[in-house]
Amino acid sequence: SQTIHQWPATLVQPVGSPLSLECTVEGTSNPNLYWYRQAAGRGLQLLFYSVGIGQISSEVPQNLSASRPQDRQFILSSKKLLLSDSGFYLCAWSWGGVEQFFGPGTRLTVL
Amino acid sequence: SQKIEQNSEALNIQEGKTATLTCNYTNYSPAYLQWYRQDPGRGPVFLLLIRENEKEKRKERLKVTFDTTLKQSLFHITASQPADSATYLCALDRYGGSQGNLIFGKGTKLSVKP
Repeated sequence: SQTIHQWPATLVQPVGSPLSLECTVEGTSNPNLYWYRQAAGRGLQLLFYSVGIGQISSEVPQNLSASRPQDRQFILSSKKLLLSDSGFYLCAWSWGGVEQFFGPGTRLTVL
Repeated sequence: SQKIEQNSEALNIQEGKTATLTCNYTNYSPAYLQWYRQDPGRGPVFLLLIRENEKEKRKERLKVTFDTTLKQSLFHITASQPADSATYLCALDRYGGSQGNLIFGKGTKLSVKP
């Protein structure tokens, strides 16, 4: 069966510090991978998606970036965090882009 | 651009009743529409998918309808239970296809009281 992992589960970072969130999927190959953010009072917002190694599409211009160095690894990064980057970050995978399977999420607080 | 709306932020019902949640979209009809359940502090969990050529889909106590004329999907939970309390999200593909570039509604928080 397939499993998706995210870490860390919670993170408190000062404004201006860097960020690296990691997501890995087990039990499948060549999945589509997604990064979402869910901010308080707002809906689930797609940030990046990837259909293969090194292939990243961005939906929302911002100070975040994503990379996919391996087939089942997806990383979300920032060089300098902003207060507005606080939120619940979710990684998801799918086969062919239809139903998506979400990870447990990372709660990020930027102070 | 495509937009998706869930009109009710919250819905409170009594145990045993049927809960009906609404999802509306603008512009073109998507190839399919999905419903997810999200519990506090957890990631969403896929429940049902309905395609544009399907009027209705059922899974146990869940039923989803898709009306492309009204540009609306309804999500029903029959014989609701307190364990059904959660936030329910609808989602569709941003560009109307099946790329997985989903946009989500803000969700409806369902509370089922015993």
